[in-house]
Amino acid sequence: GEDVEQSLFLSVREGDSSVINCTYTDSSSTYLYWYKQEPGAGLQLLTYIFSNMDMKQDQRLTVLLNKKDKHLSLRIADTQTGDSAIYFCAVGAFTGGGNKLTFGTGTQLKVEL
Amino acid sequence: DTGVSQDPRHKITKRGQNVTFRCDPISEHNRLYWYRQTLGQGPEFLTYFQNEAQLEKSRLLSDRFSAERPKGSFSTLEIQRTEQGDSAMYLCASSLTGYVTEAFFGQGTRLTVV
Repeated sequence: GEDVEQSLFLSVREGDSSVINCTYTDSSSTYLYWYKQEPGAGLQLLTYIFSNMDMKQDQRLTVLLNKKDKHLSLRIADTQTGDSAIYFCAVGAFTGGGNKLTFGTGTQLKVEL
Repeated sequence: DTGVSQDPRHKITKRGQNVTFRCDPISEHNRLYWYRQTLGQGPEFLTYFQNEAQLEKSRLLSDRFSAERPKGSFSTLEIQRTEQGDSAMYLCASSLTGYVTEAFFGQGTRLTVV
């Protein structure tokens, strides 16, 4: 089955850029997501990218996809303390009418003043 | 609509007891998903519904687990004869039909089996 790997922790200073990395194994994954989870809250979709794209930018967020290396990254520009959370990479393929997602273990981002 | 709601938010039960969780999706969403998240891990897919039809089940969903969505609206997830290994956060998500659609997650039900 699909395997999705992420580093567990990342610490940055406020105002710096954060880069969260993710690797996956299934080359048939057709779309890739980034979710944010804050304590006591559900998962919030931040952005997604199709497998036929290399890059997607959405305000402070930039997603880069290297399909050859099966590597996905999320860059957060001008990181703020409110960005402190756990970030999950998720990959999926459209099968049987549903969008089943396989999540990574999550990267805890800590933003320091 | 206030989003996906789950009830209860927390449940503590003794080993061997049965528990049932409820999920109310966003009203116009015809797809509903259940995931399980253990501490320090990402969510793992359990099952999903298209309207009232349960179309896929993960091998994680043992015979002790059953999910229903009787009228294509709310869904229930029942765990029979709970075990300590069932302790986790159970997440529900819903989405519209489509090739790529955003799944909206509820806040989850945290189950602790003692």
